[in-house]
Amino acid sequence: QLVLTQSPSASASLGASVKLTCTLSSGHSSYAIAWHQQQPEKGPRYLMKLNSDGSHSKGDGIPDRFSGSSSGAERYLTISSLQSEDEADYYCQTWGTGTYVFGTGTKVTVL
Amino acid sequence: EVQLVESGGGLVQPGGSLRLSCAASGFTVSSNYMSWVRQAPGKGLEWVSVIYSGGSTYYADSVKGRFTISRDNSKNTLYLQMNSLRAEDTAVYYCARDHCSGGSCYQNYWGQGTLVTVSS
Repeated sequence: QLVLTQSPSASASLGASVKLTCTLSSGHSSYAIAWHQQQPEKGPRYLMKLNSDGSHSKGDGIPDRFSGSSSGAERYLTISSLQSEDEADYYCQTWGTGTYVFGTGTKVTVL
Repeated sequence: EVQLVESGGGLVQPGGSLRLSCAASGFTVSSNYMSWVRQAPGKGLEWVSVIYSGGSTYYADSVKGRFTISRDNSKNTLYLQMNSLRAEDTAVYYCARDHCSGGSCYQNYWGQGTLVTVSS
């Protein structure tokens, strides 16, 4: 079964970096994922597609502070130089034939 | 500029029906995969349904047999017909344009959502 696992929360100080993890279930380590950001009281926003080799393509207007990387079944989103507006929920998402799967989301708090 | 504007949400009694609309601009709905994704209050994102550019449709098990996704090419609009609504269908419903590359698909543009409340 295709499942994405995310930690519920993460925090870092203003100006620091934070690295979020999304883990693919067994047998699906080659899958690409997408990262989405959801700021409070807003709709989601697409950040990037992240491939198993770590290559990624960002959405329109996504700052360079957002980057992605991969290792085995793990997919990472790193936010550098944290800004107050980065305080949000971050979801990973992947795709199987005729279905999409979302992770449970990670809430990022900027201290 | 790509824009997606949902409408049609509201309060409906259990067992009732509702049709959501998603008006698109800046691209052609029929040339893209289009999805509905929902978010229950205080919960995460849950994919609901997708319609492929070729017309094939797929549904989450939780809504299969009750919801129908469709599009009107002349209006460049996506729809979600929701029947036999249950309390657990209460959520903000988002329309999204999907993008597929390298054998995988994902939502790359999202609407702002419309709230559906199922309650007596």
